[in-house]
Amino acid sequence: EAQVTQNPRYLITVTGKKLTVTCSQNMNHEYMSWYRQDPGLGLRQIYYSMNVEVTDKGDVPEGYKVSRKEKRNFPLILESPSPNQTSLYFCASSQTGGVADTQYFGPGTRLTVL
Amino acid sequence: DAKTTQPNSMESNEEEPVHLPCNHSTISGTDYIHWYRQLPSQGPEYVIHGLTSNVNNRMASLAIAEDRKSSTLILHRATLRDAAVYYCILALTGANNLFFGTGTRLTVIP
Repeated sequence: EAQVTQNPRYLITVTGKKLTVTCSQNMNHEYMSWYRQDPGLGLRQIYYSMNVEVTDKGDVPEGYKVSRKEKRNFPLILESPSPNQTSLYFCASSQTGGVADTQYFGPGTRLTVL
Repeated sequence: DAKTTQPNSMESNEEEPVHLPCNHSTISGTDYIHWYRQLPSQGPEYVIHGLTSNVNNRMASLAIAEDRKSSTLILHRATLRDAAVYYCILALTGANNLFFGTGTRLTVIP
């Protein structure tokens, strides 16, 4: 089954404790991205990657890092999480990221930073 | 940011058609119109997209105004499973992301 998977689905952590949220897709997609969703603000893009070793900032990249060492994986790294990063996070992928592409979203990771 | 304007919420009776409007007056010639929906506790899922012509698929129809400044997502027979937040999004030529607004929350009444 074609899918985007994220782990963990739920995470509660404390301020400053480094964490990684994994994202993996099995569709051989070149384009992957991370969004965060907050009440009243909709989904906002954090980072995206057009292909292996190619990443770029989205609209709200502060406090986040990403890497794209393999085509299928695109982990999101919070090196020193803060409470304002408490949010619902979604990973997405598409074939090329082009304007006519369909994006496939993961199930989400709910992160709470205390 | 690419701006789309949608009503915050709409209601529909079950098994009746639903027309979800969207205004996108800043659209340019090669920007695509996409619709996604987000069911409760799930990630967004693709519904339909189009450029100029009306589009149909198994989930919905997309009617695009002749001047492309507005579009309407049509669910032909709403079911309880269609209760979700529906996002109208412009995919901008040369951009690398989708700009989600806050969408329209559709409530389906049994």
